[in-house]
Amino acid sequence: QITLKESGPTLVKPTQTLTLTCTFSGFSLSTSGVGVGWIRQPPGKALEWLALIYWDDDKRYSPSLKSRLTITKDTSKNQVVLTMTNMDPVDTATYYCAQGSSSLDYWGQGTLVTVSS
Amino acid sequence: QSALTQPRSVSGSPGQSVTISCTGTSSDVGGYNYVSWYQQHPGKAPKLMIYDVSKRPSGVPDRFSGSKSGNTASLTISGLQAEDEADYYCCSYAGSPWVFGGGTKLTVL
Repeated sequence: QITLKESGPTLVKPTQTLTLTCTFSGFSLSTSGVGVGWIRQPPGKALEWLALIYWDDDKRYSPSLKSRLTITKDTSKNQVVLTMTNMDPVDTATYYCAQGSSSLDYWGQGTLVTVSS
Repeated sequence: QSALTQPRSVSGSPGQSVTISCTGTSSDVGGYNYVSWYQQHPGKAPKLMIYDVSKRPSGVPDRFSGSKSGNTASLTISGLQAEDEADYYCCSYAGSPWVFGGGTKLTVL
């Protein structure tokens, strides 16, 4: 059974750096073809793909956010970490992690991050 | 990378069929057979319904089907049921990033 769970702060101040952790079970990020990605959804709005890291440490980023994002993995801990710098109120959203490669097959429950002073 | 274009809303009566379109470009939908569709109920995480244009994950009813023609992908839901009422999002590989559609709200009348 594959599960993923996001964790991190629920409230960050403008200009701060957000660090989110995705802890997963039921698969290994060292298995060929496997990837874990991050997606966000502002309240009442559409999904937005952010970043994805593959089993071989190949990393892909949204072009519009690439300068602010870093994705890393810790295979031994079954975790993927996303950092986003210079947070702004428009970054308020539910942040999801998901497993997959050409599609996002399994999703975490999401974590709501609010950016406010 | 621009978002894929979906109708904001569609509706249908129980038992009917509805089709949701997802229009992109030759750089995303038209260029790759990596279109996926997600169902999202209010307050819940998205659920994969279709992947690689037309494949269904285990457990997804065969009432859900996907197709693609040129730069437009489509999700068809036949035999509409009340529980199908949700938001639906398409997603396409686009060379390096992936891009989502703006979402379609399906109302079962």
